[in-house]
Amino acid sequence: QVQLVESGGGLVKPGGSLRLSCAASGFTFSDYYMSWIRQAPGKGLEWVSYISSSSSYTNYADSVKGRFTISRDNAKNSLYLQMNSLRAEDTAVYYCARVSSLWEDVWGQGTTVTVSS
Amino acid sequence: QSALTQPPSASGSPGQSVTISCTGTSSDVGGYNYVSWYQQHPGKAPKLMIYEVSKRPSGVPDRFSGSKSGNTASLTVSGLQAEDEADYYCSSYAGSNNLRVFGTGTKVTVL
Repeated sequence: QVQLVESGGGLVKPGGSLRLSCAASGFTFSDYYMSWIRQAPGKGLEWVSYISSSSSYTNYADSVKGRFTISRDNAKNSLYLQMNSLRAEDTAVYYCARVSSLWEDVWGQGTTVTVSS
Repeated sequence: QSALTQPPSASGSPGQSVTISCTGTSSDVGGYNYVSWYQQHPGKAPKLMIYEVSKRPSGVPDRFSGSKSGNTASLTVSGLQAEDEADYYCSSYAGSNNLRVFGTGTKVTVL
C-alpha cells in the first residue's frame, strides 16, 4: 500500500541542524512532486517546502527560506529536509506528503522536532 | 502569506449537518479551483477528504461535500457520525511563489 515514513526528528539546540528523511513505498516515487508540511504543538498546519519529481524545482515558505533545504533521491525512494540554524519556532511535527496536482493526497505519520536549550 | 480563516469550532448532533467555512482572498481561494480539505484526528496525520473544491477521493463517504463562492470555500458534513469528530483544515493553491496556504483549522464536535 502507499506509505510514507518520516524519521530523523529529535531534540536540538537553537542554532543547530537536523536532517529529516521520508521513505516512500507502494507507488512510483519518481513520478510525484513531494512536500514537507509542519504543525507546531497545538497549532495548525504550515506548508514548508516543495520539490518537483526530478528535483529541478524547489520552493520554500518565507519562514524557512535560506535555512532549510529540500532534496530527494529517486533511486532510494527518499525525500529529505536539511534544517539549519534552527529556532524555537521551528518546533513542530514535520510531515512529508505526496503531491497530486496541486494538493497533498498522502501523508506520513510525522516526525517530531524540538528546538530547545 | 496569511492563513485562511476558519471558525475555531463547529458542532452538531448525530445525523445532523455541519458546515465549515474557509475564507481567503482572490490570491488563493478566490483565484483558483484548488481548494482541498483535510481531516485530522488527535495524534494522527491529516487525511485528504476533498480536492479541487468539491471532488472526493476514493473511499471518502459522500456525506462529505465541498463548495466555493468567491473567496470562501465550505465543507459540509451531512449525517454526522461519532467518527467525524476531528479537526478539519482547508488548503488552497496560492500561486507559484507561495504554492500552498492552510486554514486555521476547525474542531468539529459531535454532541
